[in-house]
Amino acid sequence: AQSVTQLGSHVSVSEGALVLLRCNYSSSVPPYLFWYVQYPNQGLQLLLKYTSAATLVKGINGFEAEFKKSETSFHLTKPSAHMSDAAEYFCAVSDGNTDKLIFGTGTRLQVFP
Amino acid sequence: DAGVTQSPTHLIKTRGQHVTLRCSPISGHKSVSWYQQVLGQGPQFIFQYYEKEERGRGNFPDRFSARQFPNYSSELNVNALLLGDSALYLCASSLAGFPTNEKLFFGSGTQLSVL
Repeated sequence: AQSVTQLGSHVSVSEGALVLLRCNYSSSVPPYLFWYVQYPNQGLQLLLKYTSAATLVKGINGFEAEFKKSETSFHLTKPSAHMSDAAEYFCAVSDGNTDKLIFGTGTRLQVFP
Repeated sequence: DAGVTQSPTHLIKTRGQHVTLRCSPISGHKSVSWYQQVLGQGPQFIFQYYEKEERGRGNFPDRFSARQFPNYSSELNVNALLLGDSALYLCASSLAGFPTNEKLFFGSGTQLSVL
């Protein structure tokens, strides 16, 4: 069965610092991987997705993620954190043959001035 | 254009009661999915409907049911509510329901509290 594991339920960074949110996947078939962001009292918004076209995926708001098959990882990064990046981030996986997404438990990002 | 709209935004029920949650997809979208998000966890897939037919079902008891109407709006029904049903219920819509090929748009959710 497919699953994703997000390491670190909370991550705190200073404004301007590198953001690194970790996600490891478990899949018996080539996965499709996603990062979603959830701001307080809002639904989820797609940041980026990997669908095997390129291992380095660029998303919105300056975020990017690299698919590493050897490490079964899909970590999310942003070179310089902004206060507006404070939110909950979810990694998700799909096998492409079904229509549902399987989400990780989420990582709450705090950005300090 | 309006996004995915869900109603009500908040709801308080007592154990054993029944609840109906509603979702209106983005205009032109034919697929609606429902997710349950318990506090501190990621969303869990409940149902997907496409063209008024159930396309997928998650690991939820039969107390949970849903349907999609001719205008593609959807209802999620939960019978015999339990305390553990307290959660944020999210609705998502897309053109055809394949998140690998297209974008899912989420509503802001209905916060259900069961007392």
